[in-house]
Amino acid sequence: DSGVTQTPKHLITATGQRVTLRCSPRSGDLSVYWYQQSLDQGLQFLIQYYNGEERAKGNILERFSAQQFPDLHSELNLSSLELGDSALYFCASGRSSYNSPLHFGNGTRLTVT
Amino acid sequence: QQQVKQSPQSLIVQKGGIPIINCAYENTAFDYFPWYQQFPGKGPALLIAIRPDVSEKKEGRFTISFNKSAKQFSLHIMDSQPGDSATYFCAASSTSGSARQLTFGSGTQLTVLP
Repeated sequence: DSGVTQTPKHLITATGQRVTLRCSPRSGDLSVYWYQQSLDQGLQFLIQYYNGEERAKGNILERFSAQQFPDLHSELNLSSLELGDSALYFCASGRSSYNSPLHFGNGTRLTVT
Repeated sequence: QQQVKQSPQSLIVQKGGIPIINCAYENTAFDYFPWYQQFPGKGPALLIAIRPDVSEKKEGRFTISFNKSAKQFSLHIMDSQPGDSATYFCAASSTSGSARQLTFGSGTQLTVLP
């Protein structure tokens, strides 16, 4: 068990809809990262937060947004969903040192129909 | 732009074989190179990692070889077992401003036959 909790595990929704994915980081970790994993794209970095502040953005679409709350949990909001947004979404948490590993949750599988 | 290139995409070996997964990078700002192992239905988990000032690191049956001049690194799994069947991702880490970023390779699906 990595200590990172993601909910829900599965989500099925229709095109055009909006969903929210939730992540609780490992105790003591201030950084939260969001990754998208699809079959043909591997693990794509979306966005990073550190102690409530956005620190880095990767290949995140404008339809997607995220935030980290004072209790350090994070939410990833996906709107105007398209079929191509179907993927596994992983949250990871870590510390700030360079050799601190990222601890991944078990992901949320999003299916857009 | 893919900054970490990983090969092969898939690999099948017999039990006891030594699968080798290779990765190459271009960004010389990378300063930490971890490998992650992912089983179906689970998130990736850190397996082993190396810094660029070290040419080899061994942990149990897993060894990373690192060639800084060639900007390449590889994972060797000695005496592979069916339980090692998983997807393996190499990664490279760097600091951008105040943020530490991790860039993943595309993954290698390893199957170890009994």
